[in-house]
Amino acid sequence: DAGITQSPRHKVTETGTPVTLRCHQTENHRYMYWYRQDPGHGLRLIHYSYGVKDTDKGEVSDGYSVSRSKTEDFLLTLESATSSQTSVYFCAISAGTGSYNEQFFGPGTRLTVL
Amino acid sequence: AQKITQTQPGMFVQEKEAVTLDCTYDTSDQSYGLFWYKQPSSGEMIFLIYQGSYDEQNATEGRYSLNFQKARKSANLVISASQLGDSAMYFCAMREGVGRSNYQLIWGAGTKLIIKP
Repeated sequence: DAGITQSPRHKVTETGTPVTLRCHQTENHRYMYWYRQDPGHGLRLIHYSYGVKDTDKGEVSDGYSVSRSKTEDFLLTLESATSSQTSVYFCAISAGTGSYNEQFFGPGTRLTVL
Repeated sequence: AQKITQTQPGMFVQEKEAVTLDCTYDTSDQSYGLFWYKQPSSGEMIFLIYQGSYDEQNATEGRYSLNFQKARKSANLVISASQLGDSAMYFCAMREGVGRSNYQLIWGAGTKLIIKP
């Protein structure tokens, strides 16, 4: 199994509070991604990173920011959480090389914003 | 317009029967890749199989095969001899484009498969 951990695994917070989710990998993969999963939508890309300090927006980036100061860590921040950000958040990594270049996923973080 | 369409929100299949999960895609790129992932009730995302747009043969991985029909833009997942443990959500995803965008995946909404004993 790919070495990807996410923390926290579960979080309940209140509207308007800041929240930071952490993704940590031990694979030294170049690419890291943050997705959210909601019923009926599959996975939607929030932000991704193609290297240290190199990040870009995905499909649903409004209200989210990211940072990557080290290869192994990719942080997702909700500056002021809203109820619409209640979701399951997945981190994924990929090597950026190889014929498949498949993405490997962390276990997910279930976030509830009250 | 949706780029990945999975038309079956849910399916019930008898154990040991073969299952076909539908996936159609939309792209104008010549180079692209198609993936299937499985998400059991425990929540993790498990990579199953990959098909590249230039691959001439359908991909196979154990009991999983991909019925790739390029002209019809379909990439259906076939599971042979289904087992109770195959009950899960199944997602089709596509990678297209070149450069950095090539490493992003576009996802379908998923199909919930339930295997009946």
